[in-house]
Amino acid sequence: AQSVSQHNHHVILSEAASLELGCNYSYGGTVNLFWYVQYPGQHLQLLLKYFSGDPLVKGIKGFEAEFIKSKFSFNLRKPSVQWSDTAEYFCAVYVNRDDKIIFGKGTRLHILP
Amino acid sequence: DVKVTQSSRYLVKRTGEKVFLECVQDMDHENMFWYRQDPGLGLRLIYFSYDVKMKEKGDIPEGYSVSREKKERFSLILESASTNQTSMYLCASSWPGQGYTEAFFGQGTRLTVV
Repeated sequence: AQSVSQHNHHVILSEAASLELGCNYSYGGTVNLFWYVQYPGQHLQLLLKYFSGDPLVKGIKGFEAEFIKSKFSFNLRKPSVQWSDTAEYFCAVYVNRDDKIIFGKGTRLHILP
Repeated sequence: DVKVTQSSRYLVKRTGEKVFLECVQDMDHENMFWYRQDPGLGLRLIYFSYDVKMKEKGDIPEGYSVSREKKERFSLILESASTNQTSMYLCASSWPGQGYTEAFFGQGTRLTVV
């Protein structure tokens, strides 16, 4: 079965630190890849997405992610985090064959001011 | 702006009750999804639908059913609510096929079964 793995369940960083959140998926066919963010008390919203083309994609609020097909990975990065980045981050994969979206278990990011 | 609206933010129901969670989207999306979100488990797909009157089981369909009589509306039904169905329920919609498949989410319904 397809799956999405997020390696870090809980990450604590100080402001201005660099961030990398890992995401691996198990499906070998055509996929679309996403990172979603859920700020405290808010609904899930899209951070960035990869459909095709340049494997380095840029999203909102200074986030970026790199798709490495050979590693089945789509890691999220930000060079310098802010306190307002405190949220839960979800990696997701759209599996074209099954026409459904599968989510990872999420990473809780806590930024210390 | 895409809007996905869930009928209730908070619900409290008794064990054994039949519960209806409603979701409406205004973007003419073909695909609609119901997830439940639990701490440490992420979002787990319950059911999804890619067309009116069509439904597909997700990863955890047991104890749930769905209805999609109109394109914009997707209902989740708990046939006989149980305490282990206490959770946050999220509805989402998207376009099908390659590209533009990002999901748009509603605010969620926090259901407590007592």
